[in-house]
Amino acid sequence: RKEVEQDPGPFNVPEGATVAFNCTYSNSASQSFFWYRQDCRKEPKLLMSVYSSGNEDGRFTAQLNRASQYISLLIRDSKLSDSATYLCVVNAAAGTSYGKLTFGQGTILTVHP
Amino acid sequence: GAGVSQSPSNKVTEKGKDVELRCDPISGHTALYWYRQRLGQGLEFLIYFQGNSAPDKSGLPSDRFSAERTGESVSTLTIQRTQQEDSAVYLCASSRQGAASGANVLTFGAGSRLTVL
Repeated sequence: RKEVEQDPGPFNVPEGATVAFNCTYSNSASQSFFWYRQDCRKEPKLLMSVYSSGNEDGRFTAQLNRASQYISLLIRDSKLSDSATYLCVVNAAAGTSYGKLTFGQGTILTVHP
Repeated sequence: GAGVSQSPSNKVTEKGKDVELRCDPISGHTALYWYRQRLGQGLEFLIYFQGNSAPDKSGLPSDRFSAERTGESVSTLTIQRTQQEDSAVYLCASSRQGAASGANVLTFGAGSRLTVL
């Protein structure tokens, strides 16, 4: 089983739609979680951290379910500029690899007019 | 510098040659990471340096791959006897601490695109 798994998509949605991505992780001791965004042929950039209580940043909402070991990202009122690959990122558990970040394969989102 | 700098941005080499890729992290960032991204694939962890601790080399795919870091500055990733399957974008990233803290952001360089003919 991969350490971090995502549905690769692609998700094709019209402008204004709401879309949700899920991500599962295998190590129950993982402690920090993030969503990154990667535009075509560009480097990944942090979209948002994911906190235990859930958090929101404008149109983006991130949720963490530790019991089920999954993370979600919800995008409301999709814009054309949201088209990108969304990467789920999980840190390693405490120990010698503390701080090592593992990336999921990414979920491709295309927002069309 | 203001960002993570990687060089060369593009490298074309012949199978069997050695290549060296360089990463200059953001000043003051103690953690440095190398990832590999093949065309259309996700990021594959290679190696992680954190301060003066022993690096986590668990992602290096073979003994042809090695990396060094001088103190908390420049890192070089060396690939010996390159193979065609080594063709990928090699991404370097740095953060102020081990990025487990939510306050620390992983900043990536633009990558070094390696093509092995």
